Amino acid sequence: SAVISQKPSRDICQRGTSLTIQCQVDSQVTMMFWYRQQPGQSLTLIATANQGSEATYESGFVIDKFPISRPNLTFSTLTVSNMSPEDSSIYLCSVATSGGPDEQFFGPGTRLTVL
Amino acid sequence: SQQGEEDPQALSIQEGENATMNCSYKTSINNLQWYRQNSGRGLVHLILIRSNEREKHSGRLRVTLDTSKKSSSLLITASRAADTASYFCATDAKAAGNKLTFGGGTRVLVKP
Repeated sequence: SAVISQKPSRDICQRGTSLTIQCQVDSQVTMMFWYRQQPGQSLTLIATANQGSEATYESGFVIDKFPISRPNLTFSTLTVSNMSPEDSSIYLCSVATSGGPDEQFFGPGTRLTVL
Repeated sequence: SQQGEEDPQALSIQEGENATMNCSYKTSINNLQWYRQNSGRGLVHLILIRSNEREKHSGRLRVTLDTSKKSSSLLITASRAADTASYFCATDAKAAGNKLTFGGGTRVLVKP
């Protein structure tokens, strides 16, 4: 399985600011994803991070609010823009290590609190 | 709405007892995966079962899949206090590539 790290592990931010979360994998992976987990809830997919092209967003998520970069096969960033308290969540990246529908492995998550 | 729904939402058992939780889904799937999450941390991958498999074991874990009923179960045998966590099922559907859709999760409390 891949070893995935995320930075920061947690942050407390002010309303109206932006935070960029980094996801680093120890090996090249084909697929990278970003999920949001609101307090007490399950995970919801935000977008698929595509290497060298624009991310593919799920319904209800837009690029202006959650810009994503993926410059190579081991790294991706998610920015939460113009934050409000409703953005307080755990944000997790995940990777699939093959082109087929195999296991997805998750990073440790970034716990974001917006005041 | 979410693809997977889990039952029960919460489960409290004594150490040494077995814990069983169920997951139902709505559409045809490629695979179903079970994850554990401790106290709002990252997800730990437990087991993947493919749509053509009916049962899979990993240590104290046993997963079954019934595609005719669109349901799966996760059994944890001889539970330990360290098994206290939330457990999620996640499916990837034939039409959706690798994208996972998560169930609501089961919160398991194992009392020493």
